[in-house]
Amino acid sequence: DVKVTQSSRYLVKRTGEKVFLECVQDMDHENMFWYRQDPGLGLRLIYFSYDVKMKEKGDIPEGYSVSREKKERFSLILESASTNQTSMYLCASRLGIGESSPLHFGNGTRLTVT
Amino acid sequence: GQNIDQPTEMTATEGAIVQINCTYQTSGFNGLFWYQQHAGEAPTFLSYNVLDGLEEKGRFSSFLSRSKGYSYLLLKELQMKDSASYLCAVFDSNYQLIWGAGTKLIIKP
Repeated sequence: DVKVTQSSRYLVKRTGEKVFLECVQDMDHENMFWYRQDPGLGLRLIYFSYDVKMKEKGDIPEGYSVSREKKERFSLILESASTNQTSMYLCASRLGIGESSPLHFGNGTRLTVT
Repeated sequence: GQNIDQPTEMTATEGAIVQINCTYQTSGFNGLFWYQQHAGEAPTFLSYNVLDGLEEKGRFSSFLSRSKGYSYLLLKELQMKDSASYLCAVFDSNYQLIWGAGTKLIIKP
């Protein structure tokens, strides 16, 4: 089974702090994704990556950046956390671009910015 | 714009059958996914449809009509553990996933 691991289940940060969310997958998947999930809204794509060193903006990239230095690891960075970034963050991976393979999700990080 | 519509919430009785609908308007179509998400947990893959018709997988079945932009997830012999949110997602022409807001299913004894 694919395992996607997010480093923290819960985080509480202060406004203005730099926040790092880490995600590791163990199935050699090319594609990795960061979503945020808020009540009443569908999953919204922040950034994704097709391969190492590659990144693409999703629907809501403002206030975020990402890093993919190794194939198995995809990090989401909040440069200066704000209260409107309080949310559930979900990392996911899947096999490859053009493949109709499902996303595999990590357990999520619930971030609270105070 | 691209849009996926699902009912916000549904209630059903343990042992019964429930159908969760999903309608979509997307730029192209390369398949439709259903995911289950229990409260506080990650979404888990349930089914994938790319051709018209019904796909059955145990107590769960998923139906697709591409001409109507419509899918449904059918859950039979409902169990309390089926209480969860059910997410519909469509691959558009660029293989980007478009997500619905999810349907919260409440199962009552």
